[in-house]
Amino acid sequence: DAGITQSPRYKITETGRQVTLMCHQTWSHSYMFWYRQDLGHGLRLIYYSAAADITDKGEVPDGYVVSRSKTENFPLTLESATRSQTSVYFCASSASVETQYFGPGTRLLVL
Amino acid sequence: AQSVTQLGSHVSVSEGALVLLRCNYSSSVPPYLFWYVQYPNQGLQLLLKYTTGATLVKGINGFEAEFKKSETSFHLTKPSAHMSDAAEYFCAVSGTGANSKLTFGKGITLSVRP
Repeated sequence: DAGITQSPRYKITETGRQVTLMCHQTWSHSYMFWYRQDLGHGLRLIYYSAAADITDKGEVPDGYVVSRSKTENFPLTLESATRSQTSVYFCASSASVETQYFGPGTRLLVL
Repeated sequence: AQSVTQLGSHVSVSEGALVLLRCNYSSSVPPYLFWYVQYPNQGLQLLLKYTTGATLVKGINGFEAEFKKSETSFHLTKPSAHMSDAAEYFCAVSGTGANSKLTFGKGITLSVRP
């Protein structure tokens, strides 16, 4: 199916475990983004990528790692999950700065 | 630097009433402005955007917004609310450069009373 997908949609993990959230888009958009959504904070940018093999930090990058070996994929890894990383994570992609298209989100609970 | 202020966290209107969701922005460069809507358990969907040209922008589902540079505002309106408009609404601002990033407001939850 065309569009932007995220997996898993729901994830429960424990403190200290490594978790990888997947994002895949079929539009060949150059830009991809990871946000976290928390009550009272809106959406905050974690990392973004302007093209394959080019990534950069956003507003809240600590504790996260990204990679972009292929244009269509942009995985987000929590190297050692903490309770403060319990959140809803959204991936987005765009062809330009004008419009970002969002995935359905991953709800992550860290116990 | 850029920022977005959405005053209040919740707005409640009656079905058929005017919807007005306020957004003020701060930007050191000419901005692009956006409104996104998020329905429960879904991702964000673009409602409308202002980039250049006409300052009154029409979007999907009967929503519109007006860019007022002098007031640094981009308020979202809809003449007549429908039950299906109940959702969370986010205003966002970006610059116009190639690597500009979106900055979101905290969002406003719209409730529609029958």
